Amino acid sequence: DTEVTQTPKHLVMGMTNKKSLKCEQHMGHRAMYWYKQKAKKPPELMFVYSYEKLSINESVPSRFSPECPNSSLLNLHLHALQPEDSALYLCASSPTSGTYNEQFFGPGTRLTVL
Amino acid sequence: LAKTTQPISMDSYEGQEVNITCSHNNIATNDYITWYQQFPSQGPRFIIQGYKTKVTNEVASLFIPADRKSSTLSLPRVSLSDTAVYYCLVVRSSYKLIFGSGTRLLVRP
Repeated sequence: DTEVTQTPKHLVMGMTNKKSLKCEQHMGHRAMYWYKQKAKKPPELMFVYSYEKLSINESVPSRFSPECPNSSLLNLHLHALQPEDSALYLCASSPTSGTYNEQFFGPGTRLTVL
Repeated sequence: LAKTTQPISMDSYEGQEVNITCSHNNIATNDYITWYQQFPSQGPRFIIQGYKTKVTNEVASLFIPADRKSSTLSLPRVSLSDTAVYYCLVVRSSYKLIFGSGTRLLVRP
């Protein structure tokens, strides 16, 4: 299995809702990532997990809360989002940390905040 | 990390070779040059990575001159399915991928 899966594909939520995005990989990768991508813009790194521990938080607002329950699973918990948070949320994984290995991206979750 | 500069867009025709050049003047000794491809509503996909001279795989070639201040991604005989955004990145470790604006390649019939 050489892919990263993300669920759901699409999500519409109100500003008072709580929702979660899920990402899964079964390639044995020990680094996992969350990116945010606005329309016609490049992906922006949000969080990096290495060996299930949060190693990088790119000054992301606390309404985004990542979680890595095990080495295969990465969640992004959403609460009290704003309309400007509407974007494509991409998950990625890579074999090891601190090397030049490629990152494998999932197809993303298209989030709309009303 | 070194900032990258690449053309905003390029047009080509099926069957042609496409060369996309990226400038990275402040590249450091430990940095690698990496290219990703992204189709609409999909995640980016790794294409190729190199440190110096030339790297070739089944999809593309990457040319890096001796001073490493620029690089050129070469796509041989493009098809309509190569229409995508191509990102040039300078990578110091697998953690930090800093995507620039990318080049939108349009391949016409």
